[in-house]
Amino acid sequence: AQTVTQSQPEMSVQEAETVTLSCTYDTSENNYYLFWYKQPPSRQMILVIRQEAYKQQNATENRFSVNFQKAAKSFSLKISDSQLGDTAMYFCAFMPDEGNQFYFGTGTSLTVIP
Amino acid sequence: NAGVTQTPKFQVLKTGQSMTLQCAQDMNHEYMSWYRQDPGMGLRLIHYSVGAGITDQGEVPNGYNVSRSTTEDFPLRLLSAAPSQTSVYFCASSYEGPQGSYEQYFGPGTRLTVT
Repeated sequence: AQTVTQSQPEMSVQEAETVTLSCTYDTSENNYYLFWYKQPPSRQMILVIRQEAYKQQNATENRFSVNFQKAAKSFSLKISDSQLGDTAMYFCAFMPDEGNQFYFGTGTSLTVIP
Repeated sequence: NAGVTQTPKFQVLKTGQSMTLQCAQDMNHEYMSWYRQDPGMGLRLIHYSVGAGITDQGEVPNGYNVSRSTTEDFPLRLLSAAPSQTSVYFCASSYEGPQGSYEQYFGPGTRLTVT
């Protein structure tokens, strides 16, 4: 069974500062995909960043980057230069290579403070 | 493209009533899924489909039925609503892109309350 754990239910960061959200997962699969999704108060789920497990290079998307540690089964999200619009719930998700089932963590509520 | 659409946005049901949550996508995606989101529990997979005519159970399928007669539509049926089904429901679609990558596109969600 696949499980995804986000151990920080709530976090806050000052505007323009950097924050890191943690995610760990448990799987026996060798090939898989990892995702971070953002859910603002509008409730819409928005893909932030994606990482393929077979790629050693960490994914980056503008101010968002990940620290992927495959051996440790860790997939943290770093948000640089935090903006007020980053205030949202963030979900880590895992998808095995075989099949299309996504497994989500319980989420981290991030508040950016002006 | 409209993406993934869900209707209704809000619904209140009485215990024992039945209803269908509608989901449609216009991106010709093979894969579609239904999730429920409860406080402190993230999103949990209810049912999913890998193509028209093919459905399978996810993590929390009890009390829900699905069908996939077309690529575009994937309705979720509550046969006899229970208060435990009070939740926010998300439909998602995805496709297998280059190098096996996937991305899920989510609908706006349906907030369901069962009294």
